Amino acid sequence: ETGVTQSPTHLIKTRGQQVTLRCSSQSGHNTVSWYQQALGQGPQFIFQYYREEENGRGNFPPRFSGLQFPNYSSELNVNALELDDSALYLCASSLLVTGGLNEQFFGPGTRLTVL
Amino acid sequence: DQQVKQNSPSLSVQEGRISILNCDYTNSMFDYFLWYKKYPAEGPTFLISISSIKDKNEDGRFTVFLNKSAKHLSLHIVPSQPGDSAVYFCAASINRDDKIIFGKGTRLHILP
Repeated sequence: ETGVTQSPTHLIKTRGQQVTLRCSSQSGHNTVSWYQQALGQGPQFIFQYYREEENGRGNFPPRFSGLQFPNYSSELNVNALELDDSALYLCASSLLVTGGLNEQFFGPGTRLTVL
Repeated sequence: DQQVKQNSPSLSVQEGRISILNCDYTNSMFDYFLWYKKYPAEGPTFLISISSIKDKNEDGRFTVFLNKSAKHLSLHIVPSQPGDSAVYFCAASINRDDKIIFGKGTRLHILP
């Protein structure tokens, strides 16, 4: 069983640029959630995708967008990067089952630095 | 507005003793609480959870206590082991919704 993987591990961008982060879900999972973890903070929910549709969104502007593919892998896109976007971006996959635990399994994260 | 608060950024405990990590929350709609553990360069891993209909859940060395009237929960680790040194996140959700709200974390150091 393959765990959650993310790429790249580290990334450096400049203000105004666009970035795409990638996540491969754990085998058998149908849901992926993205979190932003700034330095010294806990992870903050960005959005979740279930069967290729957005299924909930946190308090992030529209320049944060995502995609989920038929194989349940996912992308997080951020446009017009700002310095405050510098953070660790975590992807978590789960098997969404009504009434179930819906335990989320996290990847190691992508460290984004915006200069 | 922080809905889940971990007021101790760090905690040091002697190996073999009990570690107690505390967490407070403000949203009375939360009905499911979780603890995650995070090592450097790894993502958070699920440790233990508790539903609001319970006041205690135990799994091996880990026990979580929930005091709904005080909006407080705690994680007890006994006995503490060197491998327990990590950052611990308290988290909460509504209706087991996958939108999980995390606290800022507490760094636990287990001293030899």
